[in-house]
Amino acid sequence: AQSVSQHNHHVILSEAASLELGCNYSYGGTVNLFWYVQYPGQHLQLLLKYFSGDPLVKGIKGFEAEFIKSKFSFNLRKPSVQWSDTAEYFCAVESSNTGKLIFGQGTTLQVKP
Amino acid sequence: NAGVTQTPKFQVLKTGQSMTLQCAQDMNHEYMSWYRQDPGMGLRLIHYSVGAGITDQGEVPNGYNVSRSTTEDFPLRLLSAAPSQTSVYFCASTNSDRGDTQYFGPGTRLTVL
Repeated sequence: AQSVSQHNHHVILSEAASLELGCNYSYGGTVNLFWYVQYPGQHLQLLLKYFSGDPLVKGIKGFEAEFIKSKFSFNLRKPSVQWSDTAEYFCAVESSNTGKLIFGQGTTLQVKP
Repeated sequence: NAGVTQTPKFQVLKTGQSMTLQCAQDMNHEYMSWYRQDPGMGLRLIHYSVGAGITDQGEVPNGYNVSRSTTEDFPLRLLSAAPSQTSVYFCASTNSDRGDTQYFGPGTRLTVL
């Protein structure tokens, strides 16, 4: 069965620190990959997505993610976080066969000013 | 363009009561989904629809019913509420089921006593 695993459940960083959130999935077929973000009190919104082409994907607010097919990974990175990046981050995988979107457990990021 | 709207925002039920969570979108999206969000478990797919008159089960469909009589509306029914259904429910819509962005509603926070 398709599954998504996010390794870090709660991350605390100081402003200007670099960020990397891990995401691994298990599915043998072709997938589309997403990172969604949920800011406090708001609903989910798309941060970035990988559909095809360049495995290094750039999203909004300076975020990027790299799809490494051999490792079934889609880690999210940002070189320098800001206090406003405090949010919950969700990795999601969509099977090209079924179209179903499966989410990871989420990672809560707290950035200290 | 309101996007995806959900009502109510908050609801408290007693065990055994029934209710309907409303979801509507004005983007003419064919694909709509219901998720529940629980701490440490991310978002789990309850039911989804690929068009009016067509619905299918997701990861956690038990205790929930859906119907899709129009493109715009996708209500979620709890037939006999249980405390295990205490959660935050998100409705989402997308233009296609292959690599397209999902647009989420603001959520409904449901408590079952």
